[in-house]
This record gives sequence, structure tokens and C-alpha cells, in this order.
Amino acid sequence: DSGVTQTPKHLITATGQRVTLRCSPRSGDLSVYWYQQSLDQGLQFLIQYYNGEERAKGNILERFSAQQFPDLHSELNLSSLELGDSALYFCASSVASGKGGELFFGEGSRLTVL
Amino acid sequence: GQQLNQSPQSMFIQEGEDVSMNCTSSSIFNTWLWYKQDPGEGPVLLIALYKAGELTSNGRLTAQFGITRKDSFLNISASIPSDVGIYFCAGQLNSNTGKLIFGQGTTLQVKP
Repeated sequence: DSGVTQTPKHLITATGQRVTLRCSPRSGDLSVYWYQQSLDQGLQFLIQYYNGEERAKGNILERFSAQQFPDLHSELNLSSLELGDSALYFCASSVASGKGGELFFGEGSRLTVL
Repeated sequence: GQQLNQSPQSMFIQEGEDVSMNCTSSSIFNTWLWYKQDPGEGPVLLIALYKAGELTSNGRLTAQFGITRKDSFLNISASIPSDVGIYFCAGQLNSNTGKLIFGQGTTLQVKP
């Protein structure tokens, strides 16, 4: 158990819909990261927040947005969903920003878009 | 975008054998890391390397940060069935962010 909690574990929805994925980081960790894992693209960095502020951005689509709240939990919002958005979405956390890449990953949220 | 070339893509070995996998990149990284992912789980950090030429061990696992800073390898000695899983290399360009570039993964199967 990494200490990172993600909900929901599984989500099935239709194209055009909007979903929110939730992440609670390890106790004491200030940084939260979102990664997408798909069969064709592998693990891709989406976005990072540090203590409530955006710190780094990857190839995150404009239809996707995220935020980190004062209690440090984070949400990833995916809108106007397309079939290609079906993937595993991982949240990870670390104490500091970057911390040498030593990230603790949650178990992921599996999104299926039909 | 940046990519890491990880090989081999998959391995099927006998229990007790040694395993070697590697990653190469066209970019220079500040940090190289190796993660393992079990089915239904998120990646778990195995080894982190911070200096070119660094050789680090974690039990039966040994990894090295290439001198050119563009490559890394991971060795597993005397494999056991619980070594089964997907192994990912990852490179970090900027130590201030958690943006990691991941390899495509090496799927390891161990026959008892």
C-alpha cells in the first residue's frame, strides 16, 4: 500500500460525458502528479501540483483539467470524453516537488469510454 | 515528444536465471529510475540513480546510470517467481518537477 488513494477504481461512461477522478496523497506529501497509462502511449505525464499550485504540465489535453485543494487532495476532470480517453489514470505523490523522481503511485482509476 | 527506448519488450526465463534490461534515450537525464508494476497496481519505485556512472543495488537488483547520462540498465540476479511483472525505466530531466519520461516497459515472466 503506497498510501495514495484514488477513487473510483473503475468508471464506465459514454462519449461526450464528463468525469472527475479523485486522489488523496500520502500523509505529508505536498506534490501530486497525474499520469495516464494506455496501451499505445504507455505512461504519460499529465500535470503536477505542489501545495495547491500548478508546477509542471505535460501533454494534457485542453478537455482535461486538474486542481489541488487546500487539504492537498487533487481532482482530475475529464470532459467531452472520447473513445481514446479510455485508459488507466494514476495519481502519484511525493514530499517535495520532484524529489528525484521518487514518486508513490496509487492503484489507478480505470476509465472506459463507450 | 521525448521517448525512452527500453529493451527487451518481454522476457520469459527460468527461475534462478539472471535478467538484464536497458533503456536508452536521445536526451540527457538528471535522474534515472526503475519502477515495477504488478497487475492491478501502480508502479513501485525499485531504484533511483542520481549521478552519471552510479551503480546502485537493492537486494538482488542492480542498476547503473550510464556515463553519457543517456542510458541505464537494470539487472536482476537469481530470479524468483515474484519478480514477475512489468519493469519500467524512467528519466527525469528537471529535478524540480515530477515529470518523468517512461520507457515502454519490459514484461518479465518467470517459470518456476
